[in-house]
Amino acid sequence: EDKVVQSPLSLVVHEGDTVTLNCSYEVTNFRSLLWYKQEKKAPTFLFMLTSSGIEKKSGRLSSILDKKELSSILNITATQTGDSAIYLCAVAGGSNYKLTFGKGTLLTVNP
Amino acid sequence: GAVVSQHPSRVICKSGTSVKIECRSLDFQATTMFWYRQFPKQSLMLMATSNEGSKATYEQGVEKDKFLINHASLTLSTLTVTSAHPEDSSFYICSARKDTEQYFGPGTRLTVT
Repeated sequence: EDKVVQSPLSLVVHEGDTVTLNCSYEVTNFRSLLWYKQEKKAPTFLFMLTSSGIEKKSGRLSSILDKKELSSILNITATQTGDSAIYLCAVAGGSNYKLTFGKGTLLTVNP
Repeated sequence: GAVVSQHPSRVICKSGTSVKIECRSLDFQATTMFWYRQFPKQSLMLMATSNEGSKATYEQGVEKDKFLINHASLTLSTLTVTSAHPEDSSFYICSARKDTEQYFGPGTRLTVT
Protein backbone atom coordinates (compact mmCIF):
# COMPACT_ATOMS: atom_id res chain seq x y z
CA GLU A 1 0.00 0.00 0.00
CA ASP A 2 1.32 3.44 -0.92
CA LYS A 3 2.28 5.62 2.01
CA VAL A 4 3.25 9.27 2.48
CA VAL A 5 4.46 10.56 5.84
CA GLN A 6 4.86 14.23 6.66
CA SER A 7 6.62 15.82 9.58
CA PRO A 8 6.16 17.72 11.69
CA LEU A 9 2.37 17.50 11.88
CA SER A 10 2.21 21.03 13.22
CA LEU A 11 4.60 23.92 13.63
CA VAL A 12 4.31 27.37 15.17
CA VAL A 13 6.85 30.03 14.22
CA HIS A 14 7.27 33.80 14.27
CA GLU A 15 7.20 36.00 11.23
CA GLY A 16 10.59 36.09 9.57
CA ASP A 17 11.57 32.58 10.61
CA THR A 18 12.59 29.94 8.08
CA VAL A 19 10.81 26.58 8.15
CA THR A 20 11.53 23.20 6.63
CA LEU A 21 8.75 20.70 6.10
CA ASN A 22 9.49 17.06 5.44
CA CYS A 23 7.84 14.38 3.36
CA SER A 24 8.84 10.74 2.94
CA TYR A 25 7.13 8.17 0.78
CA GLU A 26 6.76 4.55 -0.24
CA VAL A 27 4.99 4.33 -3.58
CA THR A 28 4.75 1.71 -6.28
CA ASN A 29 5.76 3.03 -9.68
CA PHE A 30 6.61 6.57 -8.60
CA ARG A 31 5.70 9.31 -11.06
CA SER A 32 6.07 12.59 -9.20
CA LEU A 33 5.88 14.29 -5.80
CA LEU A 34 3.70 17.31 -5.34
CA TRP A 35 3.33 19.99 -2.69
CA TYR A 36 0.09 21.82 -2.06
CA LYS A 37 -1.03 24.63 0.24
CA GLN A 38 -4.50 24.34 1.72
CA GLU A 39 -6.29 27.13 3.50
CA LYS A 40 -10.04 27.01 3.77
CA LYS A 41 -10.86 25.43 0.45
CA ALA A 42 -9.34 22.96 -1.99
CA PRO A 43 -5.55 22.61 -2.15
CA THR A 44 -3.61 24.99 -4.35
CA PHE A 45 -0.64 23.67 -6.27
CA LEU A 46 2.87 24.69 -5.26
CA PHE A 47 5.40 22.36 -6.88
CA MET A 48 5.71 19.16 -8.82
CA LEU A 49 9.02 17.31 -8.54
CA THR A 50 10.10 14.45 -10.72
CA SER A 51 13.90 14.61 -10.79
CA SER A 52 16.17 14.12 -7.83
CA GLY A 53 18.41 16.95 -6.67
CA ILE A 54 16.89 19.75 -8.73
CA GLU A 55 15.55 22.55 -6.59
CA LYS A 56 12.35 24.28 -7.61
CA LYS A 57 11.79 27.83 -6.39
CA SER A 58 8.85 30.17 -6.28
CA GLY A 59 9.50 33.35 -4.35
CA ARG A 60 10.24 32.45 -0.74
CA LEU A 61 9.28 28.81 -1.26
CA SER A 62 11.57 26.11 -2.56
CA SER A 63 11.49 22.35 -2.71
CA ILE A 64 13.78 19.48 -3.61
CA LEU A 65 13.35 15.76 -4.12
CA ASP A 66 15.73 13.01 -3.03
CA LYS A 67 14.75 9.82 -4.82
CA LYS A 68 17.49 7.82 -3.13
CA GLU A 69 16.12 8.70 0.31
CA LEU A 70 12.50 8.68 -0.95
CA SER A 71 11.91 12.09 0.53
CA SER A 72 11.37 15.75 -0.18
CA ILE A 73 11.59 18.99 1.74
CA LEU A 74 9.69 22.23 1.37
CA ASN A 75 11.45 25.35 2.61
CA ILE A 76 9.79 28.65 3.35
CA THR A 77 12.09 31.57 4.14
CA ALA A 78 11.15 34.86 5.81
CA THR A 79 7.73 33.48 6.75
CA GLN A 80 4.70 35.75 6.81
CA THR A 81 1.34 35.37 8.54
CA GLY A 82 -0.17 34.66 5.13
CA ASP A 83 1.89 31.48 4.96
CA SER A 84 -0.24 30.01 7.74
CA ALA A 85 -1.94 26.98 6.18
CA ILE A 86 -1.81 23.23 5.92
CA TYR A 87 0.93 22.06 3.58
CA LEU A 88 0.17 18.78 1.89
CA CYS A 89 2.62 16.45 0.24
CA ALA A 90 1.28 13.97 -2.30
CA VAL A 91 2.91 11.35 -4.45
CA ALA A 92 1.60 10.29 -7.86
CA GLY A 93 2.03 6.65 -8.75
CA GLY A 94 0.89 4.05 -11.23
CA SER A 95 -0.40 4.39 -14.75
CA ASN A 96 -3.21 6.71 -13.64
CA TYR A 97 -0.92 9.02 -11.64
CA LYS A 98 -3.11 8.36 -8.61
CA LEU A 99 -2.27 10.69 -5.71
CA THR A 100 -1.60 9.51 -2.19
CA PHE A 101 -1.59 12.34 0.33
CA GLY A 102 0.25 12.72 3.58
CA LYS A 103 -1.59 13.99 6.67
CA GLY A 104 -0.22 17.47 6.14
CA THR A 105 1.76 19.93 8.24
CA LEU A 106 -0.24 22.68 9.92
CA LEU A 107 1.95 25.78 9.85
CA THR A 108 1.04 28.75 12.03
CA VAL A 109 3.03 31.94 11.59
CA ASN A 110 2.54 34.42 14.42
CA PRO A 111 3.18 38.15 13.98
CA GLY B 1 -4.69 27.09 -18.13
CA ALA B 2 -6.45 24.07 -16.73
CA VAL B 3 -9.61 24.83 -14.82
CA VAL B 4 -11.82 22.38 -13.00
CA SER B 5 -15.20 23.36 -11.62
CA GLN B 6 -17.45 21.65 -9.12
CA HIS B 7 -21.12 22.14 -8.52
CA PRO B 8 -22.61 22.75 -6.07
CA SER B 9 -20.02 24.36 -3.82
CA ARG B 10 -22.14 23.73 -0.77
CA VAL B 11 -25.16 21.52 -0.18
CA ILE B 12 -27.29 20.67 2.83
CA CYS B 13 -29.58 17.68 2.58
CA LYS B 14 -31.73 15.56 4.83
CA SER B 15 -30.72 12.10 5.96
CA GLY B 16 -31.88 9.44 3.52
CA THR B 17 -31.83 11.63 0.42
CA SER B 18 -29.34 11.47 -2.46
CA VAL B 19 -27.01 14.23 -3.58
CA LYS B 20 -25.24 14.60 -6.91
CA ILE B 21 -21.98 16.51 -7.26
CA GLU B 22 -20.63 17.47 -10.68
CA CYS B 23 -17.00 17.88 -11.65
CA ARG B 24 -16.12 19.50 -14.97
CA SER B 25 -12.85 20.18 -16.72
CA LEU B 26 -13.56 23.47 -18.44
CA ASP B 27 -10.73 23.88 -20.91
CA PHE B 28 -9.28 20.43 -21.40
CA GLN B 29 -10.34 16.84 -21.82
CA ALA B 30 -9.68 14.56 -18.89
CA THR B 31 -9.62 10.84 -19.46
CA THR B 32 -9.17 10.33 -15.73
CA MET B 33 -10.86 12.10 -12.85
CA PHE B 34 -10.43 11.42 -9.16
CA TRP B 35 -12.77 11.88 -6.21
CA TYR B 36 -11.43 12.68 -2.76
CA ARG B 37 -13.05 13.16 0.63
CA GLN B 38 -11.65 15.27 3.42
CA PHE B 39 -12.98 15.18 6.98
CA PRO B 40 -12.20 18.07 9.35
CA LYS B 41 -8.57 18.23 10.40
CA GLN B 42 -7.69 15.30 8.16
CA SER B 43 -5.95 14.94 4.84
CA LEU B 44 -7.50 14.15 1.49
CA MET B 45 -8.43 10.52 1.05
CA LEU B 46 -8.88 9.13 -2.43
CA MET B 47 -12.29 7.55 -2.84
CA ALA B 48 -12.25 6.44 -6.45
CA THR B 49 -10.62 6.80 -9.83
CA SER B 50 -12.97 7.50 -12.69
CA ASN B 51 -12.05 6.75 -16.29
CA GLU B 52 -14.22 7.98 -19.12
CA GLY B 53 -16.44 5.27 -20.52
CA SER B 54 -15.60 2.62 -17.96
CA LYS B 55 -16.52 1.71 -14.40
CA ALA B 56 -14.86 3.60 -11.60
CA THR B 57 -12.20 1.95 -9.46
CA TYR B 58 -12.96 2.36 -5.77
CA GLU B 59 -10.43 2.45 -2.95
CA GLN B 60 -10.62 -0.10 -0.20
CA GLY B 61 -13.37 0.67 2.28
CA VAL B 62 -15.39 2.91 -0.06
CA GLU B 63 -18.84 1.51 -0.82
CA LYS B 64 -19.42 1.60 -4.55
CA ASP B 65 -23.18 1.24 -4.16
CA LYS B 66 -23.32 4.25 -1.89
CA PHE B 67 -21.00 6.51 -3.85
CA LEU B 68 -22.04 6.22 -7.48
CA ILE B 69 -19.60 7.63 -9.98
CA ASN B 70 -20.38 8.31 -13.61
CA HIS B 71 -17.80 9.60 -16.07
CA ALA B 72 -19.98 10.02 -19.12
CA SER B 73 -17.78 12.37 -21.10
CA LEU B 74 -14.21 13.61 -21.25
CA THR B 75 -15.17 16.75 -19.37
CA LEU B 76 -17.71 15.59 -16.80
CA SER B 77 -17.73 13.20 -13.89
CA THR B 78 -20.46 12.99 -11.28
CA LEU B 79 -20.50 11.61 -7.76
CA THR B 80 -23.85 10.69 -6.27
CA VAL B 81 -24.02 10.10 -2.54
CA THR B 82 -27.03 7.82 -2.14
CA SER B 83 -29.12 7.59 1.02
CA ALA B 84 -26.87 10.12 2.70
CA HIS B 85 -26.32 9.99 6.45
CA PRO B 86 -24.79 12.54 8.83
CA GLU B 87 -21.49 10.63 8.81
CA ASP B 88 -21.24 11.34 5.06
CA SER B 89 -20.93 15.04 5.86
CA SER B 90 -17.56 16.02 4.49
CA PHE B 91 -15.66 18.08 1.95
CA TYR B 92 -15.67 16.32 -1.43
CA ILE B 93 -13.01 17.35 -3.93
CA CYS B 94 -12.54 16.18 -7.48
CA SER B 95 -9.48 16.44 -9.65
CA ALA B 96 -8.95 15.95 -13.36
CA ARG B 97 -5.81 14.61 -14.89
CA LYS B 98 -4.17 16.37 -17.82
CA ASP B 99 -1.04 14.56 -18.97
CA THR B 100 1.08 14.13 -15.83
CA GLU B 101 -0.65 16.73 -13.69
CA GLN B 102 -3.87 16.83 -11.69
CA TYR B 103 -6.00 19.92 -11.36
CA PHE B 104 -8.35 20.22 -8.41
CA GLY B 105 -11.87 21.52 -8.32
CA PRO B 106 -12.81 23.98 -5.57
CA GLY B 107 -14.61 21.31 -3.55
CA THR B 108 -18.17 20.69 -2.38
CA ARG B 109 -19.06 20.88 1.28
CA LEU B 110 -21.82 18.39 2.04
CA THR B 111 -23.80 18.61 5.26
CA VAL B 112 -26.34 15.90 5.99
CA THR B 113 -28.87 16.77 8.70
